[in-house]
Amino acid sequence: ILNVEQSPQSLHVQEGDSTNFTCSFPSSNFYALHWYRWETAKSPEALFVMTLNGDEKKKGRISATLNTKEGYSYLYIKGSQPEDSATYLCASSNAGNNRKLIWGLGTSLAVNP
Amino acid sequence: GAGVSQSPSNKVTEKGKDVELRCDPISGHTALYWYRQSLGQGLEFLIYFQGNSAPDKSGLPSDRFSAERTGGSVSTLTIQRTQQEDSAVYLCASSLGLAGFKDTQYFGPGTRLTVL
Repeated sequence: ILNVEQSPQSLHVQEGDSTNFTCSFPSSNFYALHWYRWETAKSPEALFVMTLNGDEKKKGRISATLNTKEGYSYLYIKGSQPEDSATYLCASSNAGNNRKLIWGLGTSLAVNP
Repeated sequence: GAGVSQSPSNKVTEKGKDVELRCDPISGHTALYWYRQSLGQGLEFLIYFQGNSAPDKSGLPSDRFSAERTGGSVSTLTIQRTQQEDSAVYLCASSLGLAGFKDTQYFGPGTRLTVL
């Protein structure tokens, strides 16, 4: 069974704080790692798709790193804003599972103004 | 441009009834995915369509579930003889289909299904 674990489950920060959370995934036969943001009452929105070990991607105040050898990815948010409040999902694709995405339960972020 | 749309947004049905959920993908996207999220669970893969290839149905939880994609565009997910455990948010996503599961997936707003 392939599991994707995300931590923490939830996080409350103050506006302006920087924060980060973790996605752990099976490292064997790694294919791709996806990060999505899911705001309440909206559709999940893609943030990053990462495939290479050591890859680092950035989108505004949000960045992500990838370690495929040890099976983890970090998502960082610099200077959190209330509009960053959402659930952040990661999903792993591994060749051993026909490359279908296996999703974590997400990290729920609440940014207090 | 228009994103992925799904209908209905909410569906309440009685146990044993059949339901159909519809997904309109982004125009030009050859790949289409169905997922569901049950309460307290992560997104669960159901089925994947890619172009004219046979769909990957490996995630369908039982033979009560089926899906079609007509003309390479609109897809319907049908659940026959609904059970209470089918209650979930059903999400559809589409992608360009150029890189398989490395593609960015674009999600619709989901259909919330409640089986009484």
